Amino acid sequence: DVKVTQSSRYLVKRTGEKVFLECVQDMDHENMFWYRQDPGLGLRLIYFSYDVKMKEKGDIPEGYSVSREKKERFSLILESASTNQTSMYLCASSRGGSDLLRYEKLFFGSGTQLSVL
Amino acid sequence: AQKVTQAQTEISVVEKEDVTLDCVYETRDTTYYLFWYKQPPSGELVFLIRRNSFDEQNEISGRYSWNFQKSTSSFNFTITASQVVDSAVYFCALSDPSSNDYKLSFGAGTTVTVRA
Repeated sequence: DVKVTQSSRYLVKRTGEKVFLECVQDMDHENMFWYRQDPGLGLRLIYFSYDVKMKEKGDIPEGYSVSREKKERFSLILESASTNQTSMYLCASSRGGSDLLRYEKLFFGSGTQLSVL
Repeated sequence: AQKVTQAQTEISVVEKEDVTLDCVYETRDTTYYLFWYKQPPSGELVFLIRRNSFDEQNEISGRYSWNFQKSTSSFNFTITASQVVDSAVYFCALSDPSSNDYKLSFGAGTTVTVRA
């Protein structure tokens, strides 16, 4: 079975902490994505990457950064966590090729529910 | 501006009833793809269907069916004879080539509760 694995299902952090959310996929996919999910807003794209060491901003990149040092791993970093970053964070991946990216189905992890107090 | 609208926030039905989820989209492009994903309580979104803009044939897969109508920019999803396991959040999504940055735009989601 193909898998996207997120390191934590639930996470509680304090305001101002640096937070790392890790995501690993075992499908040799080129593309990886970080979304946040909030009630009534659906999924909003934070960052995505279509290759190792490549990253592109999504709709809501402010307050976040990402790292992709290896093909299978895509990390989301909250440099200084704030309460408005309390949310469900979803990692996803898809097969590669820049033109294929927009048409490929996404494979999702189970999500990390982050609470910032 | 939101490009995918799922007007129904929550739908509750009794087992064996049919349920239809509405999805309306906006795009300037003639080539695009539409998707439906299911998010069960476990949290992991699961791909259900992809449809390209040139294929308006309706599709049926078991108890699931999809009605794509370009004239009304709608891509509705029907679950026939619903079961408790169909309880989930369902998302409609659009790949929008006009945005030039390869993003999927998701609707806000519709929560379906099927009661036994």
